[in-house]
Amino acid sequence: DTAVSQTPKYLVTQMGNDKSIKCEQNLGHDTMYWYKQDSKKFLKIMFSYNNKELIINETVPNRFSPKSPDKAHLNLHINSLELGDSAVYFCASSGRGLQFFGPGTRLTVT
Amino acid sequence: KQEVTQIPAALSVPEGENLVLNCSFTDSAIYNLQWFRQDPGKGLTSLLLIQSSQREQTSGRLNASLDKSSGRSTLYIAASQPGDSATYLCAVTIGANSKLTFGKGITLSVRP
Repeated sequence: DTAVSQTPKYLVTQMGNDKSIKCEQNLGHDTMYWYKQDSKKFLKIMFSYNNKELIINETVPNRFSPKSPDKAHLNLHINSLELGDSAVYFCASSGRGLQFFGPGTRLTVT
Repeated sequence: KQEVTQIPAALSVPEGENLVLNCSFTDSAIYNLQWFRQDPGKGLTSLLLIQSSQREQTSGRLNASLDKSSGRSTLYIAASQPGDSATYLCAVTIGANSKLTFGKGITLSVRP
């Protein structure tokens, strides 16, 4: 019974395309996040939502747009994909200060 | 701005050795600190969570300590095994629902 799930697990696409990554958590948490892990394996926050409201938006290009239809879901839409967007994207949720991570989506832009 | 440092970036030890992984952070006003494990191509698994008021947490062969005033945490692994080979990440947060700031991780290799 997966706590935080993401789809797809792998995504290969060409430059200029638009793609979405979906995230769902069944932990009843109010806060969800998107993190990016670059080629050097460094993990960095992108967005955070609390009760469907955006509370953190780091310096991320506006080609990236998160959407939270309800507390259990936080999707990430990326427009006009660039080579530099290739990375692993992790969704997470938090409760009582403990963050739980999804398995990650490996995005490759060719 | 909070910065988290983990040195060295990689470590190789023989099986059975006790080892210590270090983590330092620049802003001591943290809410908690988490240690994670990441296997190649996989997600993150939370190992230990230490609240800012705590000094240490233990789980099996793992023991994490926190010295908030000096901005340091250590993860102690007893009697290391090849299955412990992975990347270990340290992360801090300033609030219950705040972002995690991660170190770059230490890639541990335990040789049989």
